[in-house]
Amino acid sequence: GAVVSQHPSWVICKSGTSVKIECRSLDFQATTMFWYRQFPKQSLMLMATSNEGSKATYEQGVEKDKFLINHASLTLSTLTVTSAHPEDSSFYICSARSQDSKNIQYFGAGTRLSVL
Amino acid sequence: GQQVMQIPQYQHVQEGEDFTTYCNSSTTLSNIQWYKQRPGGHPVFLIQLVKSGEVKKQKRLTFQFGEAKKNSSLHITATQTTDVGTYFCAGPHNQGGKLIFGQGTELSVKP
Repeated sequence: GAVVSQHPSWVICKSGTSVKIECRSLDFQATTMFWYRQFPKQSLMLMATSNEGSKATYEQGVEKDKFLINHASLTLSTLTVTSAHPEDSSFYICSARSQDSKNIQYFGAGTRLSVL
Repeated sequence: GQQVMQIPQYQHVQEGEDFTTYCNSSTTLSNIQWYKQRPGGHPVFLIQLVKSGEVKKQKRLTFQFGEAKKNSSLHITATQTTDVGTYFCAGPHNQGGKLIFGQGTELSVKP
């Protein structure tokens, strides 16, 4: 149980285009999902908390208009990197919080974004 | 702000040697969690500790939660090449449901 699917796993795009990343909880409902960014050899940097049916909560310094988050259902959250630039190239990982009170996060496989 | 600090950042060991990573929180935690991220992979949940002084074992891995619930450790006995990866501790933020992750300890094992 507790499987989180993230798609795509790898994407290359041209500068100025937008990229959408999907995060799905396959066998449980996730009212809360999280989006992280990870640079090589570094820890996870939380970008935003995605809440089903409401606006995402962004961390300080993360541009809301740049990184659009939509959590339209209990099993799907999407992150759209708008007008991507080379500095947006990174490893983006989503996670879904367990339904019980333990607050354990189950991670997707991540998306490697390369902006040319 | 609330912080979770982890040391060492890197640890290189010979296969068969033991390994320990330490985690310290700036605040008392309701629980602490440990995750493992293999090279090129994503974090995978290992364990959660809730009680003060709690010790849990998973085969060669021993997890400990401090009496004050502000520190934790992960000890691996007789490391194997399959133990390679980065180990992260994480504690819940005192406001909201997000987790605060430590910087991680990258373990490399030389056969």
